[in-house]
Amino acid sequence: EGQLAETGGTLIQPGGSLRLSCAASGFYVSVNYMSWVRQAPGKGPEWLSVITSGGTTYYADSVKGRLTISRDTSKNTVYLQMNSLGAEDTAIYYCARRSNWGSGDAFDIWGQGTLVTVSS
Amino acid sequence: DIQMTQSPPSLSASVGDRVTIACRASQTISSYLNWYQQKPGKAPKLLIYGTSNLHFGVPSRFSGSGSGTDFTLTISSLQREDLATYYCQQSYSNPFAFGGGTKVEIK
Repeated sequence: EGQLAETGGTLIQPGGSLRLSCAASGFYVSVNYMSWVRQAPGKGPEWLSVITSGGTTYYADSVKGRLTISRDTSKNTVYLQMNSLGAEDTAIYYCARRSNWGSGDAFDIWGQGTLVTVSS
Repeated sequence: DIQMTQSPPSLSASVGDRVTIACRASQTISSYLNWYQQKPGKAPKLLIYGTSNLHFGVPSRFSGSGSGTDFTLTISSLQREDLATYYCQQSYSNPFAFGGGTKVEIK
């Protein structure tokens, strides 16, 4: 089965920008729907964005305009560019593969997550 | 957007007990409901997809049921390794919202 590994999380000041990376192994991001999901401390997961196999992107309304998902198929890696960060963006950020199981889609492979802390 | 509500927020049960967790959608989602298990300090793991289908390697003591707006996750005989927070998630329409979670503790 495939694996995902996120990197790029760090402590960053409010208003800053950050790019997270998610390297896939065991499968190709180019033929899968890849998502970013975050989880604030003590909260449930929150879906943020998806890039389809065709390269179309979708975003949650709460982050639209500040986050950009992209991929580099030659590196089999997905990215999340985050701008204008605020304290409310403090969370563990997970990369996840979204697959169709015949009864709807589900996030079947998750990375270990990378922590983003926004604080001065 | 569809909202997902879970109950109870937490529960404590003994090994061997039958445990039931409820999940309600703010509008009908047919059978497009998934369950995830998240152990402390770990990423969520897919447990059940499409309301009642066990993902690879999930023990048969886990089961799911429901349709429309009301769904249930059942653990038929709780084991110590089931200590975790469980989340439901709808896959009917974007955005794919998650519930707030149910934390299962062992007495």
